[in-house]
Amino acid sequence: EDQVTQSPEALRLQEGESSSLNCSYTVSGLRGLFWYRQDPGKGPEFLFTLYSAGEEKEKERLKATLTKKESFLHITAPKPEDSATYLCAVQAMDNFNKFYFGSGTKLNVKP
Amino acid sequence: NAGVTQTPKFRVLKTGQSMTLLCAQDMNHEYMYWYRQDPGMGLRLIHYSVGEGTTAKGEVPDGYNVSRLKKQNFLLGLESAAPSQTSVYFCASNRRDGETQYFGPGTRLLVL
Repeated sequence: EDQVTQSPEALRLQEGESSSLNCSYTVSGLRGLFWYRQDPGKGPEFLFTLYSAGEEKEKERLKATLTKKESFLHITAPKPEDSATYLCAVQAMDNFNKFYFGSGTKLNVKP
Repeated sequence: NAGVTQTPKFRVLKTGQSMTLLCAQDMNHEYMYWYRQDPGMGLRLIHYSVGEGTTAKGEVPDGYNVSRLKKQNFLLGLESAAPSQTSVYFCASNRRDGETQYFGPGTRLLVL
């Protein structure tokens, strides 16, 4: 069964304190892994797509990496405006139309 | 471009009432999706459509119906609302071949 697990559920950081969020997945064949940011009361906003193990993508203070079993979202020197829920989703090779989402990591960055 | 829009933003229903949620996109996307988001459970796919006039069931389709009469619109219907359908509903769309999904702002539904 295709499955996505994110950890931790919640993370509190001081401004400038770097950390990583984890997304582990079980899928028959991975076509793509997606990271989204979701602010309270809003829809998910796309951040990155990763397609193969070893791939890395960066955007400002965020860097996403991918292995055969998990992905990490590294946050370097976070700021309070990085506070949000970060969602991970996987797309399987055998059905492009279905995306399996994790329950998210709620990040709170304190000034 | 407005992207993906959803109507209404918030609604309160009584058990047994019916309603329709509207999703519209102006990006000429082929694929459209309806998800529900509940605390601690992540986004779960209700129904999806790969083109005008086509729909398919997702992970949690029971109690919902959908229609895609026009390419830009995807409607989600609740025929007889139940408290278990209290949730936040998100619509999403993307181009062919499963590219990145773009989400609407969500509809908060409370069923009493």
